[in-house]
Amino acid sequence: AQTVTQSQPEMSVQEAETVTLSCTYDTSESDYYLFWYKQPPSRQMILVIRQEAYKQQNATENRFSVNFQKAAKSFSLKISDSQLGDAAMYFCAAPNTDKLIFGTGTRLQVFP
Amino acid sequence: DAGITQSPRHKVTETGTPVTLRCHQTENHRYMYWYRQDPGHGLRLIHYSYGVKDTDKGEVSDGYSVSRSKTEDFLLTLESATSSQTSVYFCAISVMPKGETQYFGPGTRLLVL
Repeated sequence: AQTVTQSQPEMSVQEAETVTLSCTYDTSESDYYLFWYKQPPSRQMILVIRQEAYKQQNATENRFSVNFQKAAKSFSLKISDSQLGDAAMYFCAAPNTDKLIFGTGTRLQVFP
Repeated sequence: DAGITQSPRHKVTETGTPVTLRCHQTENHRYMYWYRQDPGHGLRLIHYSYGVKDTDKGEVSDGYSVSRSKTEDFLLTLESATSSQTSVYFCAISVMPKGETQYFGPGTRLLVL
């Protein structure tokens, strides 16, 4: 079965510090994308970053970057210079043909 | 903003009653999805559609049916609501041909008493 595992149910970080959220996945796809979504208290699901598996270079979007280890099927999200507005649930997702499989999420708390 | 709306945004209903949730998109994307979100489970796929009248089951499809008679609308129906279907329901659309990058609607909170 194709799975996505987020082993950290909760994480916390102080403002301006860096935090890394972990994700491992299992897919039989040969050419695929991986995703991190953010869900703030408003419940809106927001795409944070996308990684193309065939690219060696790790994706970056401003303060968000990924550490993609294809052989290990690991896809972690690094948030630099954390801000109070980063507090949210974070979900990683991996493909299964026409569908995405989501992890169970990591709740990130940001302390002033 | 992928132009996705969901209605209603909140609903309270009683066990045994039928419920229909609507997802509407303005972008004419081919792929549409219905998920439910529950604590400890993340998002789980209920049903999805890859075109008008083309639908398929997800991992938690029991008790749900869907219909897509127009590209822009994807309906989720609970034929006879149960308390276990109390959840937050999200609709999503995919802008990529292979159903990958997904953009989500605002969600519908459903409470079944």
